[in-house]
Amino acid sequence: EPEVTQTPSHQVTQMGQEVILRCVPISNHLYFYWYRQILGQKVEFLVSFYNNEISEKSEIFDDQFSVERPDGSNFTLKIRSTKLEDSAMYFCASILGHLTDEKLFFGSGTQLSVL
Amino acid sequence: DQQVKQNSPSLSVQEGRISILNCDYTNSMFDYFLWYKKYPAEGPTFLISISSIKDKNEDGRFTVFLNKSAKHLSLHIVPSQPGDSAVYFCAASEGGGATNKLIFGTGTLLAVQP
Repeated sequence: EPEVTQTPSHQVTQMGQEVILRCVPISNHLYFYWYRQILGQKVEFLVSFYNNEISEKSEIFDDQFSVERPDGSNFTLKIRSTKLEDSAMYFCASILGHLTDEKLFFGSGTQLSVL
Repeated sequence: DQQVKQNSPSLSVQEGRISILNCDYTNSMFDYFLWYKKYPAEGPTFLISISSIKDKNEDGRFTVFLNKSAKHLSLHIVPSQPGDSAVYFCAASEGGGATNKLIFGTGTLLAVQP
């Protein structure tokens, strides 16, 4: 089965530092997402991206967050100045079309630890 | 803001028996529901889904039931196998799934005992 690939699997950073989480969605997919899961809590939607622009974002996705699809294969999440509360598992996901017709595939996640 | 709730954080079942995982939701605009399974150190993987126009969907050992009036859905696994041991997330979407944005519950850890 095709895979969404995320790197790195673990990222440790100091508070206030910038981090970039990388994802390679499945090659023919058109819709891209970032979700996160704080330890012990639910998986939360952050942002959706389609046709090279953000289509929806949550309240969590403030000015410190940005996404980019720089080269047609990678999809990145940047956190400009990390806070302790940004520590979480971040999941990238992609889908070809709509949920009713296609599967949403998730990557294995990047565990971000902000110290 | 708990639009999707899974009130049982864990469930333990004997191999061969039925596992029933429950999920409640509050947003009446949700019209497409999914179950995902998650192993440690992996991302969630799609298991089964149901549209609000149906009350049941079956795929092999997995059946999802939807009770719209009660805003409740459940996942039945029969028979349960040790390999089913994982965290199960209920998720919901608006717009018939067209938006693709999912609201997840907190998950239920299923342990199937051999």
